[in-house]
Amino acid sequence: DQQVKQNSPSLSVQEGRISILNCDYTNSMFDYFLWYKKYPAEGPTFLISISSIKDKNEDGRFTVFLNKSAKHLSLHIVPSQPGDSAVYFCAASAEIRAQKLVFGQGTRLTINP
Amino acid sequence: ETGVTQTPRHLVMGMTNKKSLKCEQHLGHNAMYWYKQSAKKPLELMFVYSLEERVENNSVPSRFSPECPNSSHLFLHLHTLQPEDSALYLCASSQQPGNTIYFGEGSWLTVV
Repeated sequence: DQQVKQNSPSLSVQEGRISILNCDYTNSMFDYFLWYKKYPAEGPTFLISISSIKDKNEDGRFTVFLNKSAKHLSLHIVPSQPGDSAVYFCAASAEIRAQKLVFGQGTRLTINP
Repeated sequence: ETGVTQTPRHLVMGMTNKKSLKCEQHLGHNAMYWYKQSAKKPLELMFVYSLEERVENNSVPSRFSPECPNSSHLFLHLHTLQPEDSALYLCASSQQPGNTIYFGEGSWLTVV
């Protein structure tokens, strides 16, 4: 039973346009959500997070939106740059089991020049 | 440069071998983790240590044995592994369990 799902295994976007990466979750106890970015042969690096008391968090070109009623979050990257090409993982945790982050399968983003 | 370093980066071992993966964090964090990433699967949490005490063992087979001698070091001892254990093993740390975690670069393990 996969509690965090990224239904798009891959996404291609033209440089300069907006990239939108989506993530759905099933556990209503999740209250903290994160996005990680992973280049080949490297470990994931933390990108941005949001807690359930907010519906939007912005950091430079990256914005995460949270829709609790739909159990959906998305990561917007604008404008997209070639260096953004990577695999993006969303992750979630619940307060009760705060040490356990549950990850999605990842979405491979390719930015085309 | 990552604050979490893992060695070796690549390891090939036979099913009868005994080897260990090592992780060191330079961030002053109190929690450390082992994750496993298999092909086409989500990252799976294996173990969590908080202040050198194991607080989570996520139904991991006993052929994987973690050791946390202090809050900066974490080992994963491997013995009699199976080919399906071939994966990327990621170490991570956080200030406290539940805080944002920071990953090492991973150790690629191939069991032959």
